[in-house]
Parts: sequence; C-alpha cells; structure tokens
Amino acid sequence: EVQLVESGGGLVQPGRSLRLSCTASGFTFGDYAMSWVRQAPGKGLEWVGFIRSKAYGGTTEYAASVKGRFTISRDDSKSIAYLQMNSLKTEDTAVYYCTREVLLPGLFDYWGQGTLVTVSS
Amino acid sequence: EIVLTQSPGTLSLSPGERATLSCRASQSVSSSYLAWYQQKPGQAPRLLIYGASSRATGIPDRFSGSGSGTDFTLTISRLEPEDFAVYYCQQYGSSPPVTFGQGTKLEIK
Repeated sequence: EVQLVESGGGLVQPGRSLRLSCTASGFTFGDYAMSWVRQAPGKGLEWVGFIRSKAYGGTTEYAASVKGRFTISRDDSKSIAYLQMNSLKTEDTAVYYCTREVLLPGLFDYWGQGTLVTVSS
Repeated sequence: EIVLTQSPGTLSLSPGERATLSCRASQSVSSSYLAWYQQKPGQAPRLLIYGASSRATGIPDRFSGSGSGTDFTLTISRLEPEDFAVYYCQQYGSSPPVTFGQGTKLEIK
C-alpha cells in the first residue's frame, strides 16, 4: 500500500526557516517524481514545486511564489522527500501536502495527509 | 500560466441527481492534460479523472470527464451521499507551473 507521511510542520515566526519531510512507503520511491502542494486555511490548492527522479536528473521546479526561498530535495536511500522553507512569510501559512507524480509532471495519484505550517509572530 | 476558472462556485443538489461541473481554461490545455480531484473536509484531495476523461484506479463509473481545448466538464451521473465535497480541476504535463481551479463545492440541497 502506497503511503506518504508528512512531518515537521508547526508554528514559526516570519523570516525563520522550517524543513518538512515526506516519508514514503509501498513503492520504489526513487522511480517517481515528488511534489509539494499547499492549501491555505479555507482556500484552494496551490502547487509549490517538484523534484524529478534521478533518472530524469533529479532537477527541481518551483512556483513563482516560493522560488528562491523554498528548496526541494530527496534521499532515495531513505525514501524521503524534503521541503526546506526559508524566509517564511505569513502568507506561507497552509497545510502542506506531499504528492507522488504519475505518468506526467503535475499529475498526482497519491497524497499524504498533510502537515500544517503556521507562520505568525 | 494557464488560469482555470470553475463554475459554479457552489452547486446544491440532492442525492440521486446529476451533477455537472465546469472548468474553463484561459488558453488551450495541451493534449487534454486536465485532471479532476475530490476533496472532503479534513482530507487530502483524491485523483478522480486524468487526461480529461480517464478514470483513476478505483473511481466509480458514475464519475465521468469530458472536454478538450479550453472547456472541460466533470459529470456525476447519480449523486451518492459520499460525493458531496469540493472538486478541483487541474492542468498538468506542460512546463511549470501546474495550476488548479478555485474549486466547486457540491453541497446537499
């Protein structure tokens, strides 16, 4: 059974950093691109970024709203994807979902349960 | 960036009725790379439809998708109580960014 479990969320002050983890199981993690999608309280879904599999260079892409502040990485030996968030802003407050991509970039067949990040002083 | 606009914002129907949800793109979606997701309160979204009309694994056949170019539709033929949720369309497969519509809330009348 495919499972994605996010961790690392919490309350953080504006301007500080936080790192989220996504621990995967039930599939060969290294074969898949992984994405992060967020959802502000009461709002819709916003794609944050993705990391390709090593077979496709392991490169990353980001939404304009987080580019230069957020970094996605992966450790295939541990089946973990990371989202490093720096220079956090109040508007980054959201539930952050880890997702697995299938078939094409941006198509998400499995989602984690999400972890809440609250940016507030 | 492709902007997706969903309508209506809220749809009020009764179990057993047919639901039709619309998603319009600001420019043509290449190769019909359009997906639909369902999200229930407190849960993560679930993939329903991809490629505009292909059902994801385990999705009941009362869910169907159609459309091409800039106009897409999600149809639920006979609403079950568990179908009342928020539905998002999404375009994918092209150069980033991935974009979502703002969502349609399907509520019980």
